[in-house]
Amino acid sequence: AAGVIQSPRHLIKEKRETATLKCYPIPRHDTVYWYQQGPGQDPQFLISFYEKMQSDKGSIPDRFSAQQFSDYHSELNMSSLELGDSALYFCASSFYSSGLSNEQFFGPGTRLTVL
Amino acid sequence: DQQVKQNSPSLSVQEGRISILNCDYTNSMFDYFLWYKKYPAEGPTFLISISSIKDKNEDGRFTVFLNKSAKHLSLHIVPSQPGDSAVYFCAASLNYGGATNKLIFGTGTLLAVQP
Repeated sequence: AAGVIQSPRHLIKEKRETATLKCYPIPRHDTVYWYQQGPGQDPQFLISFYEKMQSDKGSIPDRFSAQQFSDYHSELNMSSLELGDSALYFCASSFYSSGLSNEQFFGPGTRLTVL
Repeated sequence: DQQVKQNSPSLSVQEGRISILNCDYTNSMFDYFLWYKKYPAEGPTFLISISSIKDKNEDGRFTVFLNKSAKHLSLHIVPSQPGDSAVYFCAASLNYGGATNKLIFGTGTLLAVQP
């Protein structure tokens, strides 16, 4: 079965650079979530989208922005990168209309390293 | 403030025996709970979930028990297999009435199943 696709899988950037992470949800899924997992920490919710509209916002810095496109893929844009942004970034998707929107399916993650 | 807690950072069991992973939460408004399994360098894999209106859900070798009065849930794996060795995250969600429900994760328990 098709899973959530994230690209790139690994990304190395310098401080103050920008980065764009992409997420392709499972086909037919209409919601996308972004989570950040720092070293030795649990995943922290950043932001979510439903039908291309922002639905909920968590602890996402103002330097970050995200959107969901008409084909339901999502991009997380990160500017003025800081060393503390180094983390695993997970995208998850779910299907709201199924009534099981709580069950989120995660991608493999993008490991961002800021030097 | 950690709203979802997994107080055992690690657990070791023998193959064939039962593994019991525990999770406590503080917010009585949580209405859905999930367990995820995570291997290094991979995204969390959904295992099993339970609604707050139930006290038990079973799926093959996995059973989740919910004790709302104690704000406690547990995941039972019977029989345990070496392939079950991974980090297990407990997660909770709270339905605000929107289409997306962010997950709040516990800190994880590393399960090691010894052959």
